[in-house]
Amino acid sequence: EIVLTQSPATLSLSPGESATLSCRASQSVGSSLAWYQQKPGQTPRLLIYDASNRATGVPARFSGSGSGTDFTLTISSLEPEDFAVYYCHQRSQWPLPFGPGTKVDFK
Amino acid sequence: EVQLVESGGGLVQPGGSLRLSCAASGFTFNNYWMTWVRQAPGKGPEWVANVKQDGSAKYYLDSVKDRFIISRDNAQSSLFLQMNSLRAEDTGRYYCVRDTYFGSGSYYADHWGQGTLVTVSS
Repeated sequence: EIVLTQSPATLSLSPGESATLSCRASQSVGSSLAWYQQKPGQTPRLLIYDASNRATGVPARFSGSGSGTDFTLTISSLEPEDFAVYYCHQRSQWPLPFGPGTKVDFK
Repeated sequence: EVQLVESGGGLVQPGGSLRLSCAASGFTFNNYWMTWVRQAPGKGPEWVANVKQDGSAKYYLDSVKDRFIISRDNAQSSLFLQMNSLRAEDTGRYYCVRDTYFGSGSYYADHWGQGTLVTVSS
């Protein structure tokens, strides 16, 4: 069973700064990894699929990279609406866990 | 517009059963894998189970295997989750989720319902 870990648990930043979020898998998932954004009271929103492809309507300031066991989500210049929790999710083999999340909050 | 509407949640005692339903509309239901994801209060999402388009393949989280059964009725565009022998740790909001194939070999959850709350407590 694949286990996902995310770091840091919390990232305290200001609008305009860049954010770098990490997701590590306990074994290779190839490129079968997604990133989701969740705001309070909302369902998760798909941002990135296949490690590096932006979903429809996702701003270009969001980018994903990595393959195998190490993945990164970068937000190039934080907008106020980007402060949220971000989860990675592997789709390589069942079961299909989510990571524990990284909260991006205001410094 | 894709719509996923869950129902069937509620308060149940440990060891009890519930059957969740999801009514889908706005897309061709039998073209998609469908998934149940749950989220305990203050926690992250947890994938629970999913089912192939024709119902011929089903996969489960280890902790719910042998207790939960996922099924679908393509004629009615509906997804179900039969939950038996419920435990306190099964408490959470249960979401019906559509999985979409993006042409790269993997499916990804791209539409979520608003969820139905399941509380397991005596």
